[in-house]
Amino acid sequence: GAGVSQSPRYKVTKRGQDVTLRCDPISSHATLYWYQQALGQGPEFLTYFNYEAQPDKSGLPSDRFSAERPEGSISTLTIQRTEQRDSAMYRCASSLGRGGRETQYFGPGTRLLVL
Amino acid sequence: GIQVEQSPPDLILQEGANSTLRCNFSDSVNNLQWFHQNPWGQLINLFYIPSGTKQNGRLSATTVATERYSLLYISSSQTTDSGVYFCAVEGDKIIFGKGTRLHILP
Repeated sequence: GAGVSQSPRYKVTKRGQDVTLRCDPISSHATLYWYQQALGQGPEFLTYFNYEAQPDKSGLPSDRFSAERPEGSISTLTIQRTEQRDSAMYRCASSLGRGGRETQYFGPGTRLLVL
Repeated sequence: GIQVEQSPPDLILQEGANSTLRCNFSDSVNNLQWFHQNPWGQLINLFYIPSGTKQNGRLSATTVATERYSLLYISSSQTTDSGVYFCAVEGDKIIFGKGTRLHILP
């Protein structure tokens, strides 16, 4: 597509429920990143994919968080048993390649509120 | 891990003024980018600049990798420049600074 898209744009859920967020990167982009951004803070790295491989998931806060990119294009981020501290903006970005030399393009984000 | 510090944290300017935003980082990096988060929350890439100087209209950026800092210059600022400016560096992983919140008064 023309840009990175994310859905839903807003999600309100109750504590303890599972949520799944979706990211559709720019179609030619090999690399996809997930970030968590708390209000008033900069984005914090969660994980990234190089095509379907997930070389680094060290930023995921706990084992309740998981991400997939099974066909190397669309990715999902799932949070199980949500907690109020999971409330944040979740941002996805994609870049053409991987190697520390590529511009990242961000989607509009999904704002998650856990009640 | 790498520490990223941005200054100033907040900046209020009159339309037409110039400004310089700074990003310091604590270790050598492979990549440095500047982003603008507009008031609607969209993150827009401004520059990919691991070293050297780049210019794009009223914006320019300089990174001195050997001294571990980068500067973003905004000239003749406009109200649409308001928002938060982030630098992000990549070493082993990508780390964003806390940002500089810029407010341009009409």
